[in-house]
Amino acid sequence: KQEVTQIPAALSVPEGENLVLNCSFTDSAIYNLQWFRQDPGKGLTSLLLIQSSQREQTSGRLNASLDKSSGRSTLYIAASQPGDSATYLCAVGIGNTPLVFGKGTRLSVIA
Amino acid sequence: GAVVSQHPSRVICKSGTSVKIECRSLDFQATTMFWYRQFPKQSLMLMATSNEGSKATYEQGVEKDKFLINHASLTLSTLTVTSAHPEDSSFYICSAGTSGGREQYFGPGTRLTVT
Repeated sequence: KQEVTQIPAALSVPEGENLVLNCSFTDSAIYNLQWFRQDPGKGLTSLLLIQSSQREQTSGRLNASLDKSSGRSTLYIAASQPGDSATYLCAVGIGNTPLVFGKGTRLSVIA
Repeated sequence: GAVVSQHPSRVICKSGTSVKIECRSLDFQATTMFWYRQFPKQSLMLMATSNEGSKATYEQGVEKDKFLINHASLTLSTLTVTSAHPEDSSFYICSAGTSGGREQYFGPGTRLTVT
């Protein structure tokens, strides 16, 4: 059974810092890995999706990497801003099968 | 494109009543829809998978007679919480996928509060 772990559970950084969020999964036979952002009391916003054949994806200040062999993904956020404060969720799966989510990392960026 | 809506976004009901939540894919046909539940400060947990025109598949521990799921068309799935109790208060999120598609698209969620 696939299990997804995210470390750290919470992170507080000053504005402007670069930071890395970690995600690990137990079954490397994944098809996709997706990073989401969730604001308090809100739904999910998809940030980046990495297909199993890819090693990384970039969008603006965000860069996500995938290493299937080690069962790990990282989300790198450059030059963090207070508006980046949210919970970041990592999930693995494919379009027509359920996603398995980690518990998330709660990020606070302090101005 | 690839927009999924949920209605209502927020509902408060009394214990013992039933509540229906709708999940719609607005601009694509969703062969499969998933229902997740999220308790405070927890991650999303899959409740059930529904394929259009067939019975939903429920995860272990999810009561199928309590959480009725209907996926009657390629654009609409409904979740009915029957005889709701305060412990059913949660954030319910649906997602939709297409046959052969690489990504699921999530609705904005429904906050259910049972008093």
